[in-house]
Amino acid sequence: DAGITQSPRYKITETGRQVTLMCHQTWSHSYMFWYRQDLGHGLRLIYYSAAADITDKGEVPDGYVVSRSKTENFPLTLESATRSQTSVYFCASRAGTSNQPQHFGDGTRLSIL
Amino acid sequence: AQTVTQSQPEMSVQEAETVTLSCTYDTSESDYYLFWYKQPPSRQMILVIRQEAYKQQNATENRFSVNFQKAAKSFSLKISDSQLGDAAMYFCAYSIGNQFYFGTGTSLTVIP
Repeated sequence: DAGITQSPRYKITETGRQVTLMCHQTWSHSYMFWYRQDLGHGLRLIYYSAAADITDKGEVPDGYVVSRSKTENFPLTLESATRSQTSVYFCASRAGTSNQPQHFGDGTRLSIL
Repeated sequence: AQTVTQSQPEMSVQEAETVTLSCTYDTSESDYYLFWYKQPPSRQMILVIRQEAYKQQNATENRFSVNFQKAAKSFSLKISDSQLGDAAMYFCAYSIGNQFYFGTGTSLTVIP
């Protein structure tokens, strides 16, 4: 089925470890986004990508790395996880024009001990 | 800076009644888009309704409608004939260019 999938759904790791969250979409949307959701903050944009090999920072990019070698994949890596990065992470995609809504994955709940 | 404010952290409504969730935003732009998303306990983010800023007519989707006041920078969501399945977190969002800005959400409880 077409859609946007995130993996894993839940992840527990320790501080200092590297962790990668995966995102895959089958719509061939040009834009993809990563958000984190924290109580009291709503969703905040971490990084986004306008196309393969084009990425840009959002509101809270520090401590995160992204890549987009293929249109359908947009992984998010925490190179050295910290407890402040404990959050729910959402990936989203959107067709080319800004009047289109974003379509979200089901989120990854990441806990860093 | 672009900001989105949802001043009601929690709201409740009796089943079959009507409820309005408020949202204000701050922008100096004239061309943008507004959205309401619903997030049930399953954590999915589901699009409820969207509004183009250049359109004066308020958007409507079945039991959901908006009251868009561009000059006041206000974008409230009205849910008519509330149902138990409407219980969720509701987020207002503002889109311009490649950026999406979300409010902090309103938790809606539907009372049977």
